[in-house]
Amino acid sequence: GAVVSQHPSRVICKSGTSVKIECRSLDFQATTMFWYRQFPKQSLMLMATSNEGSKATYEQGVEKDKFLINHASLTLSTLTVTSAHPEDSSFYICSAQGTDDYNSPLHFGNGTRLTVT
Amino acid sequence: GNSVTQMEGPVTLSEEAFLTINCTYTATGYPSLFWYVQYPGEGLQLLLKATKADDKGSNKGFEATYRKETTSFHLEKGSVQVSDSAVYFCALMGGSYIPTFGRGTSLIVHP
Repeated sequence: GAVVSQHPSRVICKSGTSVKIECRSLDFQATTMFWYRQFPKQSLMLMATSNEGSKATYEQGVEKDKFLINHASLTLSTLTVTSAHPEDSSFYICSAQGTDDYNSPLHFGNGTRLTVT
Repeated sequence: GNSVTQMEGPVTLSEEAFLTINCTYTATGYPSLFWYVQYPGEGLQLLLKATKADDKGSNKGFEATYRKETTSFHLEKGSVQVSDSAVYFCALMGGSYIPTFGRGTSLIVHP
C-alpha cells in the first residue's frame, strides 16, 4: 500500500530555534498534502493544505509566517516551525493524497512529536 | 460546511465484547466516508471506507455501513481484542475536497 514517511519522529529544540519536518510519499506521487496538529485528547486540527508547486492554503488562525510549508515536488512536503516557542510543542502529522480523485483516502505519516524547551 | 460528530470517549470494554462507535455527518453532496485508527505514538491508518449510500466497508472484523437516510457511519465489531485499543477517527471527503475528521474516540479494551 501507499507509504508516507515522516521525519523526524521526535525532536526537542530550544525556544527561538527553527525545526523542519519532512513528509515524503515513498511509492506514489502526492498531488496534495495536508498538515495537521494534534492536541491532547486526540483532536486533529488541519493547519494547511499544500499542492505541489503552489503556495499552501492555511486554515484560519494558523500563522503562515510561523509555519512555513513547502511542497517542492510530488513526493516531498516540508513544514518548518520558525522561532519555536513552548506553546508550539505538539504532535504534527502529515498526510498525502495520491490521485486526482478527491474521495480517495489519505495516507498518513507516523507523526512528529515536537517539544520546545 | 461539512462536519463529523463522534461519540465521546473513552469507550472501555472487556475483551470479546461488542463494539459500536457512533458517527454522524453533515455534508453537501455525496461524500465518501472513512474510519481511521491511530495507535499510540503513531499516525493514522485507514481502517475502512465506503463511497456511496448503503455501501458497507469492512476490515479486520470492523464494519461500517453508509446510511444516507440517517447520515451515519457507525463503526462496529462483534468481538474486540486488547490489540484493538486505539483512537478511532471518522472522516468524510468530498464536496470541498478538504478532509473533515471527527474528534476521535478512544477505545480501551481490558483482558
